[in-house]
Amino acid sequence: DAGVIQSPRHEVTEMGQEVTLRCKPISGHNSLFWYRQTMMRGLELLIYFNNNVPIDDSGMPEDRFSAKMPNASFSTLKIQPSEPRDSAVYFCASSLILGEGDTQYFGPGTRLTVL
Amino acid sequence: TQLLEQSPQFLSIQEGENLTVYCNSSSVFSSLQWYRQEPGEGPVLLVTVVTGGEVKKLKRLTFQFGDARKDSSLHITAAQPGDTGLYLCAGAPESSSASKIIFGSGTRLSIRP
Repeated sequence: DAGVIQSPRHEVTEMGQEVTLRCKPISGHNSLFWYRQTMMRGLELLIYFNNNVPIDDSGMPEDRFSAKMPNASFSTLKIQPSEPRDSAVYFCASSLILGEGDTQYFGPGTRLTVL
Repeated sequence: TQLLEQSPQFLSIQEGENLTVYCNSSSVFSSLQWYRQEPGEGPVLLVTVVTGGEVKKLKRLTFQFGDARKDSSLHITAAQPGDTGLYLCAGAPESSSASKIIFGSGTRLSIRP
C-alpha cells in the first residue's frame, strides 16, 4: 500500500490567496483526520471524518478553514483567504476503525508558507 | 489548555546512554500512544498502552502506562543515533470522544555518536 498521500508537499503563497491541500487516505480506512503542526502549538487536530461525514470540526481555527470529503478516497482542506499565521505543516492521517487506541497512519505532510 | 505535558522538551545525550521521557496529565486517558516523528515526515505509531500499569517493550524501548492512567513514560536503553527524532505522546481523554486524540508538545531527542 502507498500509505496516506498528500499533495502538494510544499506550498508557498501570498497572503489573501486561496490554498487547497489534498489527501488520499489508505484504501479501506474509514476515518480521516486533518492536523496542523507548528513549533509554538505542536500537533493540533483540526477536523476528523468518519465514513466521509465530518464528526468534529471544533479544532478548525475559524471560518477561513473548510474541509470536505466527497468520497472515501479523497479529502481537501481549504484556506480562504490565507494569512501568514496559517504557515505550518498540515498532516492528514487515516485509520481503520473509529475507537480507542486505533492506529492513525500519517501522510508526509504539506509545508505551507504564507508570505 | 495543553492536557498532555511532555518533559523534557529537548534532550541531547551521548550514544550508549539511557534516557526517560515523561508524559503527564491531570486527566484520565482511555489509552495512550507514543509516536516518533523524523524531519520531513509524519508521526509513526510506536505503541499503544491501554491498561493502567501496563508495560510494553519494543527492543530497547520500554513504555509504561501509569496505574491511574494519567501518565506514561518512555525509557530508551543504550540510545543510538537512529533513535533521534521527535517523540510524541497522544491519547483520548475518557471525557471526550474516543477518536478526539490530543497530542503532547513533544520531546525532541538528539543522540550524539
